Amino acid sequence: SQTIHQWPATLVQPVGSPLSLECTVEGTSNPNLYWYRQAAGRGLQLLFYSVGIGQISSEVPQNLSASRPQDRQFILSSKKLLLSDSGFYLCAWSWTTIGGPGELFFGEGSRLTVL
Amino acid sequence: DQQVKQNSPSLSVQEGRISILNCDYTNSMFDYFLWYKKYPAEGPTFLISISSIKDKNEDGRFTVFLNKSAKHLSLHIVPSQPGDSAVYFCAASPSGGSEKLVFGKGTKLTVNP
Repeated sequence: SQTIHQWPATLVQPVGSPLSLECTVEGTSNPNLYWYRQAAGRGLQLLFYSVGIGQISSEVPQNLSASRPQDRQFILSSKKLLLSDSGFYLCAWSWTTIGGPGELFFGEGSRLTVL
Repeated sequence: DQQVKQNSPSLSVQEGRISILNCDYTNSMFDYFLWYKKYPAEGPTFLISISSIKDKNEDGRFTVFLNKSAKHLSLHIVPSQPGDSAVYFCAASPSGGSEKLVFGKGTKLTVNP
């Protein structure tokens, strides 16, 4: 069976500090990978997605970046955090599909608070 | 511009009754719709989906109805159980990959014993 894990679960960081959130998927190969953010009172916003190693698409301009150094590893980073980066970050994966969206499988989430 | 709208931030129902969660969308190109359920401090989990060629899809206690002309879908939970208490997200997508999914803000459902 497939599993997805992300860490850390909770993070409190000062403004201007760096960030690294990691996500790994097990039990499948060549998944599509995603980073979402849920800010307070808002829906799930897609930040980045990746269809393969080294292939990253950014959906919104922001202070964050993503990398996919291995097939089942997805990393969300920032060099200098802003207060507005606070939120609940979710990693997700899906099968590669043709002709329609596939079901997203989400990780447990990482709560980031920037002070 | 919010393309997927869940206008009720919260809903409270009694155990055993029907829960109806609503979702409206504005993009006429959307043709695939999903509902996700999310417990606190956890990631969302897929609940049920429907494509635009159907107007109803049922899975146990959960039924999703789609009204394309009104650009409206709803999730019915019958009977509601306390374990159904969670935030429910509606999501919609045009044909294409999952990266095109657009989520609503969610509705918090509370089922009272």
